Amino acid sequence: GQQVMQIPQYQHVQEGEDFTTYCNSSTTLSNIQWYKQRPGGHPVFLIQLVKSGEVKKQKRLTFQFGEAKKNSSLHITATQTTDVGTYFCAARPRGGANNLFFGTGTRLTVIP
Amino acid sequence: DTEVTQTPKHLVMGMTNKKSLKCEQHMGHRAMYWYKQKAKKPPELMFVYSYEKLSINESVPSRFSPECPNSSLLNLHLHALQPEDSALYLCASSQEITYSNQPQHFGDGTRLSIL
Repeated sequence: GQQVMQIPQYQHVQEGEDFTTYCNSSTTLSNIQWYKQRPGGHPVFLIQLVKSGEVKKQKRLTFQFGEAKKNSSLHITATQTTDVGTYFCAARPRGGANNLFFGTGTRLTVIP
Repeated sequence: DTEVTQTPKHLVMGMTNKKSLKCEQHMGHRAMYWYKQKAKKPPELMFVYSYEKLSINESVPSRFSPECPNSSLLNLHLHALQPEDSALYLCASSQEITYSNQPQHFGDGTRLSIL
């Protein structure tokens, strides 16, 4: 079945440091989405990547989709305490319908 | 503020009780979803409704019974649940279920505890 792994599982950073989470799939993906879930909250859609090698930026966040469309990364520059939460990639297999398979998630803690 | 509303926010029930979770959206979305999320785990898809018809059932036990009365409402009926069913139940919606790219909008969830 579809498996989407994320590393690391946990990351503690000092405020101002950079952070990266990686998402890897065993199969080729149609597209990949990223969600953020604050502690006690619900997943909130951040961005979607569709094209091979695509790179998108949102302020301090940079998202990349691998050339083979099997992996993706999210990089945060100069983390802030508001970045705290769990970051999930969510993938839709090529040819699949709109059912997302969520990655295992990376929990980010930012130390002030 | 979320555009997907779930009630109740918290629910405690015994294993013999019957209860229902409710979800409502007014964004005109035609696809709605139920997810189950255990602590420190990712959301797991349970059901998908497309144009008020059940499209996907991810092998969910029959003690969970979904219902979509209309395009804005989604219910999850619960009966004879087990303690391991305690979790956060998330509802989500998207424009439609197609092979195109549809971000999902999540509600705040119902935190369910089974005694």
